Amino acid sequence: AQKVTQAQTEISVVEKEDVTLDCVYETRDTTYYLFWYKQPPSGELVFLIRRNSFDEQNEISGRYSWNFQKSTSSFNFTITASQVVDSAVYFCALSENAGNNRKLIWGLGTSLAVNP
Amino acid sequence: SAVISQKPSRDICQRGTSLTIQCQVDSQVTMMFWYRQQPGQSLTLIATANQGSEATYESGFVIDKFPISRPNLTFSTLTVSNMSPEDSSIYLCSVRATSGGHDEQFFGPGTRLTVL
Repeated sequence: AQKVTQAQTEISVVEKEDVTLDCVYETRDTTYYLFWYKQPPSGELVFLIRRNSFDEQNEISGRYSWNFQKSTSSFNFTITASQVVDSAVYFCALSENAGNNRKLIWGLGTSLAVNP
Repeated sequence: SAVISQKPSRDICQRGTSLTIQCQVDSQVTMMFWYRQQPGQSLTLIATANQGSEATYESGFVIDKFPISRPNLTFSTLTVSNMSPEDSSIYLCSVRATSGGHDEQFFGPGTRLTVL
């Protein structure tokens, strides 16, 4: 069965620290997609990244980077030099299949608090 | 990409009443999704709404409780019927659209519902 585990419920860091949010997934599909979304206190879900199962290259976007390891079924997210505006709940998600009817399987989220 | 708006943004309702939430997208999309996010929880898919066909409900959700309309490719409504305090949640509309050549899932700002 498909499943996404975000073991860290809450993380608190001081501004400028680096922080890594863990995501471990389970799937029987050979083709799948992984996502990260940010949900700030306003409640809106902001898309951060999408990665398909055939692309294991790590990705960097500004202060954000993602480490995809198929061998350990992990898709971890690192924020470098964190800022107060990074405070939000971060969700990792897995698509159930790659077709048009794919559903997103969501982790429970990690609440990140960046303190000044 | 897709820009999604929802009405109302929030509401406080009495037990036993019904509320209809509207979702408007700025482009034509085939698939629209309705999610529920209970306080402090992750997202749960309620149903998938395709234009011209009946909505497909996930396990635990039924049409009598959450009737959905999808009259065209840019609009959908979700009704929460005969509400109880357990229905207090954020309800999110989501669509799948193309962005940068990829098929992505976008979310509306959500409707915060409190049932007294």
